[in-house]
Amino acid sequence: GAVVSQHPSRVICKSGTSVKIECRSLDFQATTMFWYRQFPKQSLMLMATSNEGSKATYEQGVEKDKFLINHASLTLSTLTVTSAHPEDSSFYICSAGEAKTGLADEQFFGPGTRLTVL
Amino acid sequence: LAKTTQPVSMDSYEGQEVNITCSHNNIATNDYITWYQQFPSQGPRFIIQGYKTKVTNEVASLFIPADRKSSTLSLPRVSLSDTAVYYCLVVKAAGNKLTFGGGTRVLVKP
Repeated sequence: GAVVSQHPSRVICKSGTSVKIECRSLDFQATTMFWYRQFPKQSLMLMATSNEGSKATYEQGVEKDKFLINHASLTLSTLTVTSAHPEDSSFYICSAGEAKTGLADEQFFGPGTRLTVL
Repeated sequence: LAKTTQPVSMDSYEGQEVNITCSHNNIATNDYITWYQQFPSQGPRFIIQGYKTKVTNEVASLFIPADRKSSTLSLPRVSLSDTAVYYCLVVKAAGNKLTFGGGTRVLVKP
């Protein structure tokens, strides 16, 4: 199957700093990528849909000015957590879909980024 | 998107078959049923997808009755490495976002 990578795999930062997470589709082009957040022992929560060449679509309750998304190319989307605080500590996961004729898209997930804000 | 309901957790033993049933009463005509597996600190991994009747691949089978209001993921002869969280999702065709429910935490014991 297709491969999605994320960088970094883990990051520790001080409160008030900004952190950028990259999501790359390595062997296919993705016009749409998705960003999720997952707290310990909980399910994935969709944060936003990243659209190549246009603004991201955020889910209700997700602050677009805090979680900046840029999808500058067909293989790269970035999520920047601005002015991070301890409550932003979480596991951030991206996904990208590969269209299949006659079926729903299969989503390929990145390995995730563990963010810890001190 | 149709809401899904599945057991919170299940225990099994190595070599047994594990069946996880998911209910999705409000599934729509153009919805597909998709299952993902997630290990701790990793992104989810696609397991299987189906629309109706039975689908089988190298890792699992998916049984969907005629009314499509439920589905059952069957994992044959599980091993310790199958310990994971399994998510049932109802997905519309062509590029829609995924909404994850609570998932089923499967623990395979020796």
